[in-house]
Amino acid sequence: ETGVTQTPRHLVMGMTNKKSLKCEQHLGHNAMYWYKQSAKKPLELMFVYNFKEQTENNSVPSRFSPECPNSSHLFLHLHTLQPEDSALYLCASSPQWRGGTGELFFGEGSRLTVL
Amino acid sequence: AQKITQTQPGMFVQEKEAVTLDCTYDTSDPSYGLFWYKQPSSGEMIFLIYQGSYDQQNATEGRYSLNFQKARKSANLVISASQLGDSAMYFCAMRVRDGANNLFFGTGTRLTVIP
Repeated sequence: ETGVTQTPRHLVMGMTNKKSLKCEQHLGHNAMYWYKQSAKKPLELMFVYNFKEQTENNSVPSRFSPECPNSSHLFLHLHTLQPEDSALYLCASSPQWRGGTGELFFGEGSRLTVL
Repeated sequence: AQKITQTQPGMFVQEKEAVTLDCTYDTSDPSYGLFWYKQPSSGEMIFLIYQGSYDQQNATEGRYSLNFQKARKSANLVISASQLGDSAMYFCAMRVRDGANNLFFGTGTRLTVIP
């Protein structure tokens, strides 16, 4: 148990559906992240939020829409996805990196399949 | 720009033996941190060990040690006395102190421990 919870763990959706992934952290961290992990590719940083403000959008297509209503919750809204968007989506949180390790704490991921 | 390179897609090690997983990095920022994560088949990313760029000594955490060679820009992970439960994907990652809090990953190495 890392303190970062992702739901749902598995999601199957059609290309015309609208769904959302949810991430919640109970660690008091100020930064939250979405990563995409596809087969045989490195983890791709998608979005970063620091103190609820988006500080990184790594050229992610607009069919992925993040939302961070507060420092504990992060959503990834999905609409009109493509089959190549099928992947494991990992959420993480971290404290601000001013000292110590500042490692990211990851959830168990949401495995998305787009039909 | 930061870059992390892991050149070993897969490694095999006999149980109870030691194994070294390679990682090289590139950054122009003098202040950075290097991380190793383990990802079992279940999907969660488990933080293993951290090395700061100004740390004088190599980091150690139980059976894990980081062979940090700053001049060569390498941060290899050494796992001693391998166990069957060590079979997993291992990712090297880097973070720089640019305030963005981003963590960039290498492509990973799949370690298989042979009984």
